[in-house]
Amino acid sequence: DAGVIQSPRHEVTEMGQEVTLRCKPISGHDYLFWYRQTMMRGLELLIYFNNNVPIDDSGMPEDRFSAKMPNASFSTLKIQPSEPRDSAVYFCASSSGTGAHNEQFFGPGTRLTVL
Amino acid sequence: QKEVEQDPGPLSVPEGAIVSLNCTYSNSAFQYFMWYRQYSRKGPELLMYTYSSGNKEDGRFTAQVDKSSKYISLFIRDSQPSDSATYLCAMSVTDSWGKFQFGAGTQVVVTP
Repeated sequence: DAGVIQSPRHEVTEMGQEVTLRCKPISGHDYLFWYRQTMMRGLELLIYFNNNVPIDDSGMPEDRFSAKMPNASFSTLKIQPSEPRDSAVYFCASSSGTGAHNEQFFGPGTRLTVL
Repeated sequence: QKEVEQDPGPLSVPEGAIVSLNCTYSNSAFQYFMWYRQYSRKGPELLMYTYSSGNKEDGRFTAQVDKSSKYISLFIRDSQPSDSATYLCAMSVTDSWGKFQFGAGTQVVVTP
């Protein structure tokens, strides 16, 4: 398996623009997670899905952020409009179960810079 | 105050030395503890997963949990340059990915 795939790997955009990050989980994994990592705040869970349904979005910072999972093999995280404080590395991860004994596999991340 | 505190480092050690990493936490209800390794410009990967108190060993890695002191540790024996990475701790009250709190990570540099 190719592992969790994320695109793009790097994104540079200007404040106010819409940004869409994409993720393809490992085939057969029922859980998909979106994280954000910054030096100041570390790794934070934004939202996670089970069988394509959002389960917990309490980590989504504000209404500018939205996430969808239209099918088992694809998810998007959208920021509209983007702001400089959104600059971070965004990780997608997938797992076969919600318990931590089911290992969570992370993608390589998307490094977002908002100017 | 953050629930999980971790010294950001960098922690520099010579090859072959023991690397000692730790995290402190404030929530006494945490029961599930993990350590992740993250290489530069890569996603985190799970190293160790422990439940409640005690020690767990896996090869050169040993994880310790001291719930009375709200303190967890990761030891890396016979460190190698390939161990140079950022190490993150994570912990949760329940065994649910949605509830884990991550530390900010400690950068480790092992010099040849």
